[in-house]
Amino acid sequence: DIQLTQSPSFLSASVGDRVTITCRASQGISSYLAWYQQKPGKAPKLLIYAASTLQSGVPSRFSGSGSGTEFTLTISSLQPEDFATYYCQQLNSYPRRWTFGQGTKVEIK
Amino acid sequence: QVQLQQWGAGLLKPSETLSLTCAVYGGSFSGYYWSWIRQPPGKGLEWIGEINHSGSTNYNPSLKSRVTISVDTSKNQFSLKLSSVTAADTAVYYCARGVVVVVPAAPYYYYMDVWGKGTTVTVSS
Repeated sequence: DIQLTQSPSFLSASVGDRVTITCRASQGISSYLAWYQQKPGKAPKLLIYAASTLQSGVPSRFSGSGSGTEFTLTISSLQPEDFATYYCQQLNSYPRRWTFGQGTKVEIK
Repeated sequence: QVQLQQWGAGLLKPSETLSLTCAVYGGSFSGYYWSWIRQPPGKGLEWIGEINHSGSTNYNPSLKSRVTISVDTSKNQFSLKLSSVTAADTAVYYCARGVVVVVPAAPYYYYMDVWGKGTTVTVSS
């Protein structure tokens, strides 16, 4: 099975900072992964799919890139509402199985 | 706008069967895979399994022996049953819509774009 490892697991940042979260796959992914944001007590929210496509309504300060085994989520200028936990996700075709990274918690410095 | 409304028992005793249902409102039921995902307290997301409108299922191998996901297309609902629960099954359970886009001669992509609000399930004697 493909494992997704996010780094860092935790980061402390200030409003206005540029933040980058990395998601590494244990083997090459012949597809594009997705990114989610989750706030306490809420369901995850889709941010980016196909590695770099912004979901409708998501602010343009969020961006994604990558292919193969390394993908990144970048927040260009961290806003107060961005403090949350972020997850990457991939779908394995055969056998079919959805997998999430372990999460990256972004907290206020 | 598609919405998912989920419900089910929130407190179970060990060895009982967890049962949750998710109803789909405002959109098509066919053409998607409908998933269950759970999140233990303070931990990450774990995919449990999925079903499509025709009843085809896929399960997480780690839970497969205890999980049954079923569908009622007449009501646009799908359900989760998890047998023989223990304290380790205590979690928030979410239902979600899965989208998979296959593009000829290009990598496919996928996402879960609509989620239920979650149901807290506690297993305790």
